[in-house]
Amino acid sequence: DAGVTQSPTHLIKTRGQQVTLRCSPKSGHDTVSWYQQALGQGPQFIFQYYEEEERQRGNFPDRFSGHQFPNYSSELNVNALLLGDSALYLCASSYWTAPETQYFGPGTRLLVL
Amino acid sequence: LAKTTQPISMDSYEGQEVNITCSHNNIATNDYITWYQQFPSQGPRFIIQGYKTKVTNEVASLFIPADRKSSTLSLPRVSLSDTAVYYCLVGDFYGQNFVFGPGTRLSVLP
Repeated sequence: DAGVTQSPTHLIKTRGQQVTLRCSPKSGHDTVSWYQQALGQGPQFIFQYYEEEERQRGNFPDRFSGHQFPNYSSELNVNALLLGDSALYLCASSYWTAPETQYFGPGTRLLVL
Repeated sequence: LAKTTQPISMDSYEGQEVNITCSHNNIATNDYITWYQQFPSQGPRFIIQGYKTKVTNEVASLFIPADRKSSTLSLPRVSLSDTAVYYCLVGDFYGQNFVFGPGTRLSVLP
């Protein structure tokens, strides 16, 4: 049973570019959440997807957008990259009916130069 | 979500039992208490979850007093590989998102 997978593992971009990160949830899970984690800090919630719709959103600008596909996988898109977007981006999955337990992927390390 | 407070850092030695306490004075009736472990450059890993009294699994124990205003994660006989950041989260998470604090940085020394 595969856990949460994310791709790519690492990514280097320059300011102003756009990036797309991908996530496949744990088998059976229908809800995907995305987090940003800066060095030395706890993960910060970006948004959550269920039934292909954004259900909740944290305090992140519209440059951050996402999508969920019918197979429950998800993408995180960030436009007009800033140096401050450099972070570990984490995807977590859960059952919509049991949100109290989330399983996290290994993350994508994004470096913006 | 209930606000949580936990120590910023702790040191221990191999083979010792480590107890990390989390305070959550405004915990609500429907809230769960969940602990995660995170190694550098990895995603948080679910350790244990409880609602009241004591919960034990193959990794840790979680002690929750009757008033549920605090909880204690107990790691028996820690090893160097238990060096990580440990996060305490409280909530029922329905319609809410996970809010991570700075966590407790545990350093296990030889």
